[in-house]
Amino acid sequence: DGGITQSPKYLFRKEGQNVTLSCEQNLNHDAMYWYRQDPGQGLRLIYYSQIVNDFQKGDIAEGYSVSREKKESFPLTVTSAQKNPTAFYLCASTDFGTRGKLFFGSGTQLSVL
Amino acid sequence: GENVEQHPSTLSVQEGDSAVIKCTYSDSASNYFPWYKQELGKGPQLIIDIRSNVGEKKDQRIAVTLNKTAKHFSLHITETQPEDSAVYFCAAVNNDMRFGAGTRLTVKP
Repeated sequence: DGGITQSPKYLFRKEGQNVTLSCEQNLNHDAMYWYRQDPGQGLRLIYYSQIVNDFQKGDIAEGYSVSREKKESFPLTVTSAQKNPTAFYLCASTDFGTRGKLFFGSGTQLSVL
Repeated sequence: GENVEQHPSTLSVQEGDSAVIKCTYSDSASNYFPWYKQELGKGPQLIIDIRSNVGEKKDQRIAVTLNKTAKHFSLHITETQPEDSAVYFCAAVNNDMRFGAGTRLTVKP
């Protein structure tokens, strides 16, 4: 059953702590994306990767870091430099040829303790 | 860069009525316009899309129209049902993808 899996569903961060959100896809998609969603707002792009070992900053990359060591995996680290990390984080993937047809995971809700 | 505006931000309709959500975009080079539906606590799902060489596309109870001259596109849902209640996002795609802020649709039984 192909899809994109995010974990955990809920995550709590303490002050000064880095936390990592997992995103795995078995759709054989080339491109993967991380979006941040705040209540009542649209989706804002944090980072994206079009190929293994390469990634680009989106509109709100400050305080976040990513890696793309495998095609299937695109983890997002929320660092202590991100002062307002509470949000719903969405991972997505797509093929190069179908850009715009994003497949989304079910999201991770990150809250600050 | 591209800017997408979406209206209204909330929409409440009676079951069986129609719902219309409108979006405008700024980049005339945008050529692909998907619509996503997001249910509570889940990720968005693509429900319908339209390319810039098409004026209208329909899939059962949902349809999308595109006016390239005016740079706006709309989502139409007919015979609404309670399960249509969700947040709907429009997007415009050229070299990058921009989302509207979303419309929370509530269908009252």
